[in-house]
Amino acid sequence: DQQVKQNSPSLSVQEGRISILNCDYTNSMFDYFLWYKKYPAEGPTFLISISSIKDKNEDGRFTVFLNKSAKHLSLHIVPSQPGDSAVYFCAASQDSSYKLIFGSGTRLLVRP
Amino acid sequence: EPEVTQTPSHQVTQMGQEVILRCVPISNHLYFYWYRQILGQKVEFLVSFYNNEISEKSEIFDDQFSVERPDGSNFTLKIRSTKLEDSAMYFCASRGREGYTEAFFGQGTRLTVV
Repeated sequence: DQQVKQNSPSLSVQEGRISILNCDYTNSMFDYFLWYKKYPAEGPTFLISISSIKDKNEDGRFTVFLNKSAKHLSLHIVPSQPGDSAVYFCAASQDSSYKLIFGSGTRLLVRP
Repeated sequence: EPEVTQTPSHQVTQMGQEVILRCVPISNHLYFYWYRQILGQKVEFLVSFYNNEISEKSEIFDDQFSVERPDGSNFTLKIRSTKLEDSAMYFCASRGREGYTEAFFGQGTRLTVV
């Protein structure tokens, strides 16, 4: 089941620069997308979400962009901080179901 | 800040034994979920629960699995006869309402079947 894909297993960024994490999906019925951050031995922590009626949502240093025609979303973190180092998962759902389909995650390392 | 609490944090059990994983969702949330993550793999949906019944379950959630909300606060996942391949991190999640809202996850229970 590859409905949600994160093709970059890892990303390394210098502190203060922008981190861009990407996610692709195949199911055009998905209408709600979320980004979660996860530290080892902890549960996923919600970061930011976007519904399919929008193409951008911003919350502080975090912005999610949705390109429905390309079935692609991205998470921008700016400026990146060492505390942002974690695994980032994108997830998608159809509102009628709400079960979240997760990508495989991208490990972000922010270098001081 | 309200949070989802799971106990125990780590459970070791022998193959064939029953285990119960416990969760206290965020108070006044209405939708409850179990997910699992086998080491090195994706987080996978197991089951959703609303209004005291299962609303959806994945093909992973076979007859060996059951969920219950016995007392209006706890939400449990029972595995009747554990198998080695049930070893994983199990995450409980809850959500407040329908529509475009996020789910909040607990810190997980690491289940090791030996």
